[in-house]
Amino acid sequence: ETGVTQSPTHLIKTRGQQVTLRCSSQSGHNTVSWYQQALGQGPQFIFQYYREEENGRGNFPPRFSGLQFPNYSSELNVNALELDDSALYLCASSLNAGEETQYFGPGTRLLVL
Amino acid sequence: GENVEQHPSTLSVQEGDSAVIKCTYSDSASNYFPWYKQELGKRPQLIIDIRSNVGEKKDQRIAVTLNKTAKHFSLHITETQPEDSAVYFCAAKEGSQGNLIFGKGTKLSVKP
Repeated sequence: ETGVTQSPTHLIKTRGQQVTLRCSSQSGHNTVSWYQQALGQGPQFIFQYYREEENGRGNFPPRFSGLQFPNYSSELNVNALELDDSALYLCASSLNAGEETQYFGPGTRLLVL
Repeated sequence: GENVEQHPSTLSVQEGDSAVIKCTYSDSASNYFPWYKQELGKRPQLIIDIRSNVGEKKDQRIAVTLNKTAKHFSLHITETQPEDSAVYFCAAKEGSQGNLIFGKGTKLSVKP
């Protein structure tokens, strides 16, 4: 069984740029959730994708957008980067949208200068 | 929406002692409460979870208790070891959606 993977591991961008982060869900899982974890804080829910459709969204602006592909891998896109977007971005996969247990990937650490 | 409060923010214990971390939640519709352990620079790892139809669950040295009436749940670690040192997060599943709402974390230090 393959675990959740994310790429890249680290990224440095400047204000105003755009970034795409990638996540491969655990084998057999069709649901991916994205979280932002600022330093010293708990993860904050961004949105969830279930079978290629957005299935819930947290309190993040529209410049945070996502996609899920037929193989259930997912992308998180952030436009017009701001300094406060610097954080660890985590994706978590679950068996399906009704399954509570979520397994996290290693995260992508984004630094916005 | 759901709100999760976690206490204490830091906890230091001697090896072999017990550690208790407490969380409260606001949404009575929440029915799933996982605990994650996050070591420095690593991913959050699920260590135990509990559903609202159960009051207590144990897994070796780790136990979780849930009081639905008071809307609080706690993590208990017995016979702590230095490798238990990490940040622990509680979470609650928000209503009918699948997303988790996390507490701010507890940094546990176990001194040899």
